[in-house]
Amino acid sequence: NAGVMQNPRHLVRRRGQEARLRCSPMKGHSHVYWYRQLPEEGLKFMVYLQKENIIDESGMPKERFSAEFPKEGPSILRIQQVVRGDSAAYFCASSPGGEDTDTQYFGPGTRLTVL
Amino acid sequence: GQNIDQPTEMTATEGAIVQINCTYQTSGFNGLFWYQQHAGEAPTFLSYNVLDGLEEKGRFSSFLSRSKGYSYLLLKELQMKDSASYLCAGTLYGQNFVFGPGTRLSVLP
Repeated sequence: NAGVMQNPRHLVRRRGQEARLRCSPMKGHSHVYWYRQLPEEGLKFMVYLQKENIIDESGMPKERFSAEFPKEGPSILRIQQVVRGDSAAYFCASSPGGEDTDTQYFGPGTRLTVL
Repeated sequence: GQNIDQPTEMTATEGAIVQINCTYQTSGFNGLFWYQQHAGEAPTFLSYNVLDGLEEKGRFSSFLSRSKGYSYLLLKELQMKDSASYLCAGTLYGQNFVFGPGTRLSVLP
């Protein structure tokens, strides 16, 4: 059973470009969470999605950031017009059922560097 | 609000025991998770407590007191590979994790 997959593992963008980060949850998991981790800091919740639905985006910046989890295919975190402050590791996690007792399993992360 | 506190850094010696504390201030938490994160890698699940008391799993144990808003992770027989960050996370009703800042543990020979 493959774990949570994220790609790319490393992404370099220039200021103003778009970044698209992909996450495929573990098999059988229908709930996806995105987190951001700045260097030397803890994980910060961004958004929680089920298939075709955004359940909670309270941690998502209001502008330039969007997320989706279509019926088919991976979840996508999209950052438009990136700025230097967007440089961070972005982790995706998945859980089977969305119960607050469910363990979240993390992918390897995408490390975004904005030049 | 939801606030989780952990010590920023700890140092211990190989073979010793170390306790990493986590305190939280919220009435909405339904359980507490501990994750281990090596530098540059993804967090990996260590333990989950929803009831008061101690959960033991090999060299690692985790304790929770819901009334005190307090948890700790106990690592026994420390090994060099245990050098990592240890993240305490509370689950809110509504499935979101709130992570503490993490405790960076250095195990010295």
